[in-house]
Amino acid sequence: EVQLVESGGGLVQPGKSRRLSCVASGFTSDDYAMHWVRQTPGKGLEWVSGISWNSGTIAYADSVKGRFTISRDNAQNSLYLQMNSLRREDMALYYCARGATRKVDSGGFDYWGQGTLVIVSS
Amino acid sequence: SYVLTQPPSVSVAPGQTARITCVGINIGSKSVHWYHQKPGQAPVLVVYDDSDRPSGIPERFSGSNSGHTATLTISRVEVGDEADYYCQVWDTSGDHWVFGGGTKLTVL
Repeated sequence: EVQLVESGGGLVQPGKSRRLSCVASGFTSDDYAMHWVRQTPGKGLEWVSGISWNSGTIAYADSVKGRFTISRDNAQNSLYLQMNSLRREDMALYYCARGATRKVDSGGFDYWGQGTLVIVSS
Repeated sequence: SYVLTQPPSVSVAPGQTARITCVGINIGSKSVHWYHQKPGQAPVLVVYDDSDRPSGIPERFSGSNSGHTATLTISRVEVGDEADYYCQVWDTSGDHWVFGGGTKLTVL
């Protein structure tokens, strides 16, 4: 069974940093791209970042480019999101999602975790 | 950047057919993916690459895509289909994924 479990959320002050993690199980990590998607309570979905199976292709939403860094460790079946210079508008539930292919730009997202909540507040 | 427009809400009676649209410039040239999301749950992929269904998704869910409009069609709608539905495409000009604003499906 495919499972994605996020962690690392919590309360963080504006301007500070936070690192999210996602541990995958039930599949071979290096067969798939991985993504982070966020959702503000009661609002829609916003794609944040994606990384190809071998980390060769990385993409970011304009809203986080230069502040967030995605990475993965296939040996550990783990995906990460380093979030720096956090803003109040970054406050959201952050989902880890598996891409349906090895590439960042194709196939949609076929499995999702339950999310980890990031609260940005002083 | 590329914009996907969905109606905020669609209502349908049980047993009827629901159609949820996703409008974007020349969306017919892109691959469209659809998700549903029930309250308190993560999104679930229900249609990918315009019209394919992942395993476990009922045949009642189908998709089409042409011109400037992609459509998710849910036949023989059930109360359990009530959810928010989102369309998604890859924006080649911006190199990022784009989601539509979401449509709340209400089964009357």
